[in-house]
Amino acid sequence: GESVGLHLPTLSVQEGDNSIINCAYSNSASDYFIWYKQESGKGPQFIIDIRSNMDKRQGQRVTVLLNKTVKHLSLQIAATQPGDSAVYFCAENMGSNYQLIWGAGTKLIIKP
Amino acid sequence: GAVVSQHPSRVICKSGTSVKIECRSLDFQATTMFWYRQFPKQSLMLMATSNEGSKATYEQGVEKDKFLINHASLTLSTLTVTSAHPEDSSFYICSARDHRGWETQYFGPGTRLLVL
Repeated sequence: GESVGLHLPTLSVQEGDNSIINCAYSNSASDYFIWYKQESGKGPQFIIDIRSNMDKRQGQRVTVLLNKTVKHLSLQIAATQPGDSAVYFCAENMGSNYQLIWGAGTKLIIKP
Repeated sequence: GAVVSQHPSRVICKSGTSVKIECRSLDFQATTMFWYRQFPKQSLMLMATSNEGSKATYEQGVEKDKFLINHASLTLSTLTVTSAHPEDSSFYICSARDHRGWETQYFGPGTRLLVL
């Protein structure tokens, strides 16, 4: 079935560098995308979202890019900090029931 | 804003007993709440979608008689794991969608269930 997937299960980044987490989706009908951060033992935390009529959205230290041509979503974290260590999930919404389709997750590891 | 709480955060029970988990939206009204289950190092698995005042919609493979869901108000949904068994041990997470129509789901902190 159609799903959202991630290219890399683990990403190691030097503290202070920028992190880029990627996500591929296969359903061209999806019109809303969300990035969540999940720390160990906690529930997912909303980071940023983007609608399909946009290709870029910026938040505080984070940017989401959407490329509908190749069905690709990315999350950029600027000046990565130790507190950014977590698993990051992308999720898409494509229906009126508001259910989310989840990616597998990428574990971000920050090297000191 | 958009805070969701869950209670309890952690529960240990004996096999055969039932456990109730509460999910509350604290500063908004939630037309729809979702219940997820998550195994270690895996993504979230949707169990059911709960709309206030109506029966929950369960995902394929989820036993509705095993996982009872009640969404009696716009701020509270409960998940009861009936006759729990060790294989029900997991991390259960709820989320809530604001009734004003946005698609964004806000998540609770999760409940760790261990069935002995």
